Amino acid sequence: NAGVTQTPKFRILKIGQSMTLQCTQDMNHNYMYWYRQDPGMGLKLIYYSVGAGITDKGEVPNGYNVSRSTTEDFPLRLELAAPSQTSVYFCASSYSGGLGYTFGSGTRLTIV
Amino acid sequence: AQKVTQAQTEISVVEKEDVTLDCVYETRDTTYYLFWYKQPPSGELVFLIRRNSFDEQNEISGRYSWNFQKSTSSFNFTITASQVVDSAVYFCALSESRGANSKLTFGKGITLSVRP
Repeated sequence: NAGVTQTPKFRILKIGQSMTLQCTQDMNHNYMYWYRQDPGMGLKLIYYSVGAGITDKGEVPNGYNVSRSTTEDFPLRLELAAPSQTSVYFCASSYSGGLGYTFGSGTRLTIV
Repeated sequence: AQKVTQAQTEISVVEKEDVTLDCVYETRDTTYYLFWYKQPPSGELVFLIRRNSFDEQNEISGRYSWNFQKSTSSFNFTITASQVVDSAVYFCALSESRGANSKLTFGKGITLSVRP
């Protein structure tokens, strides 16, 4: 049982480049989330999904896009990377919000 | 809107001291869930406890204990006889309900340093 798998673990990106952060879960969870963590700021919600085909914005969605074509996958897309997107990104899933959340190990992204 | 406040940003103690990490939350829901997570230097998020709004019993797990008080909207975390391995960032978090608004809202975290 792999839980939530995030790839890559580390990435350095140049300003203006694009990339996709991958997130896959094998627990058949309906709910999936993307958070970013900046030093001293806690984790902030970027986007979330309550099921395949349904996504919604969180607190800090600007500069990101998501899709949820399957229950298992919830990729996060950065179209034009900016230095402000340098952060650690966490993907999480839950069967039903409130019952518990499983987090991936995180992706450390640096924009230069 | 839900909000979690961790007023303490950094705490430093000497090993074997007891330490309490404070958490105050805001929510308009009557059904909600409170969590504590630990983030060691390796960076992963480690789940410590989940508490629902209808269960105000305090909980003890080894050296860890949690004090949930709805009257003051607080969910404080105490580490007894702290150890160097307890050094980490600790997050308190709130989820309002099971439905579409089941987003987990985090506090800013408390950095705990335990010195030998």
